[in-house]
Amino acid sequence: EDKVVQSPLSLVVHEGDTVTLNCSYEVTNFRSLLWYKQEKKAPTFLFMLTSSGIEKKSGRLSSILDKKELFSILNITATQTGDSAVYLCAVDLYGNKLVFGAGTILRVKS
Amino acid sequence: DGGITQSPKYLFRKEGQNVTLSCEQNLNHDAMYWYRQDPGQGLRLIYYSQIVNDFQKGDIAEGYSVSREKKESFPLTVTSAQKNPTAFYLCASRKQGAGEAFFGQGTRLTVV
Repeated sequence: EDKVVQSPLSLVVHEGDTVTLNCSYEVTNFRSLLWYKQEKKAPTFLFMLTSSGIEKKSGRLSSILDKKELFSILNITATQTGDSAVYLCAVDLYGNKLVFGAGTILRVKS
Repeated sequence: DGGITQSPKYLFRKEGQNVTLSCEQNLNHDAMYWYRQDPGQGLRLIYYSQIVNDFQKGDIAEGYSVSREKKESFPLTVTSAQKNPTAFYLCASRKQGAGEAFFGQGTRLTVV
């Protein structure tokens, strides 16, 4: 069975803090790993990672993949209240199956 | 505008009734997906389809059925066999072999 595990399940921080969200996976036929942000309804795409060790960066968000140890991290620096959301990790498999983890609920307090 | 449309946004049904959720996309995407999301949880895969007239079960397919008669449309039927159907349902689509999936705004189903 393909599994994606995210940790922590929830996190409360203060504005300005840096957070690290974790995603580990046990799957067959790995193709890529994706991160999404879900604020209300539809998740919005953040990053897609296919190669180990290459950091993807967008503003205060960055992510990296380790295909040997089967995990990825999502970092958010200088957090803002607008970063409060559910962060979802998904693994894309050959054959087009797309499996999500349970998500990390992030709350940033002002 | 190109996009993926789910309807209705809210749906109430009596226990024991089948109900069909609509998902339509005009992005010319081959692959389409249905996910279920319960409060405070992530997305669980119900069914997915790579091409017209073909679909595969996801991790929680029991009590659900789908069809893919047209490339643009991937309706989900929640049957009376689904023991706990109240949830938020999300549909997604993407190009064949591409990473990013695009999501609809979801349907919140409440069974009373």
